[in-house]
Amino acid sequence: GENVEQHPSTLSVQEGDSAVIKCTYSDSASNYFPWYKQELGKRPQLIIDIRSNVGEKKDQRIAVTLNKTAKHFSLHITETQPEDSAVYFCAALKTSYDKVIFGPGTSLSVIP
Amino acid sequence: GAGVSQSPSNKVTEKGKDVELRCDPISGHTALYWYRQSLGQGLEFLIYFQGNSAPDKSGLPSDRFSAERTGGSVSTLTIQRTQQEDSAVYLCASSIDGRPTNYGYTFGSGTRLTVV
Repeated sequence: GENVEQHPSTLSVQEGDSAVIKCTYSDSASNYFPWYKQELGKRPQLIIDIRSNVGEKKDQRIAVTLNKTAKHFSLHITETQPEDSAVYFCAALKTSYDKVIFGPGTSLSVIP
Repeated sequence: GAGVSQSPSNKVTEKGKDVELRCDPISGHTALYWYRQSLGQGLEFLIYFQGNSAPDKSGLPSDRFSAERTGGSVSTLTIQRTQQEDSAVYLCASSIDGRPTNYGYTFGSGTRLTVV
């Protein structure tokens, strides 16, 4: 089955700096890669996703990139703000009707 | 309902007791998923329902865990003879038409289970 790895497990950045979280997946058939943000004590929420036919996607200060050959995908947050502090989970999905497999998470702290 | 509702929000139980956790998905969402999140850990898949059937229950950790869904709506996750390692937050999610590629999952706020 699919296995998703995520690095780093914790990340601290100064406010205004960029943050990058990297993930790898094992199943080359996976074709959908969502990212979820979980603030402390709250439920995970989808923030951005990318499909395998796209190499990059941006939404304001966040962007995701996908390298299908290497089976790598990354989340980039620019101009970080304290409210970006949360745990971020990358995930992979093989088919439309399937379960999402999550990475272990990255705890991001943005220091004011 | 407007969101995914889970009850109870907190449950403390003695080791060896059975517990039932309830999930009420968004009205009309055909797919329902249970995940477990241990303290500081990731989201561990348990079971997936499409309608009332469970095409994938591969994540259930042991035969002490079972789940059912009735009427294509409410789901109950049952843990028998609870153990301390069962302590975790149990999250339920639903997705419209069973495809998380459309709009992703909507998660409930979870049930925090503590086995003492």
